[in-house]
Amino acid sequence: KQEVTQIPAALSVPEGENLVLNCSFTDSAIYNLQWFRQDPGKGLTSLLLIQSSQREQTSGRLNASLDKSSGRSTLYIAASQPGDSATYLCAVHTGKLIFGQGTTLQVKP
Amino acid sequence: GAVVSQHPSWVICKSGTSVKIECRSLDFQATTMFWYRQFPKQSLMLMATSNEGSKATYEQGVEKDKFLINHASLTLSTLTVTSAHPEDSSFYICSAPLRGLDTGELFFGEGSRLTVL
Repeated sequence: KQEVTQIPAALSVPEGENLVLNCSFTDSAIYNLQWFRQDPGKGLTSLLLIQSSQREQTSGRLNASLDKSSGRSTLYIAASQPGDSATYLCAVHTGKLIFGQGTTLQVKP
Repeated sequence: GAVVSQHPSWVICKSGTSVKIECRSLDFQATTMFWYRQFPKQSLMLMATSNEGSKATYEQGVEKDKFLINHASLTLSTLTVTSAHPEDSSFYICSAPLRGLDTGELFFGEGSRLTVL
């Protein structure tokens, strides 16, 4: 059974810091891995999608890596801003999306 | 990016009534849509996979008679919570894959918050 774990559960950093969010999964047989952002009471916004054959994807200040053999992905956020405050969810696609519990990020001005 | 729309965004109903939530893919066709529920401060849990023109596939522990799913067209799936009770109060979110199911990026609706009194 696929399990997805995100560490840390919560993170508070001052504005401007670079930070890394971690995601691990137990079964490497995945189609892809997707990182999402969720603001309180809102739906999900897709940030980055990494296919199983890819190692990383970049979008602006965000960089996501995937190491399928070790079952790990990281989301790197450069020069964090208060507007980055949200819950970040990773999900692996195995025919259906299995979500981690999320990391709640607070960036303080 | 692709747009998935949900309606209503929030609904309050009395216990025992039924509530229908719509999920539409606005600018693409989706033969498959997924329905999730999310309790406060918890992650999303897959409830069922909605398949256009056929029966939905429900996850273990999800009552198919309580959560009726209809996927009558390539752009619309509906979730009906029948005889709702306070424990059904939750945030319901749908998603649809753009392009292929196995490689396609999944786009999510804004969610529908159900409160059952």
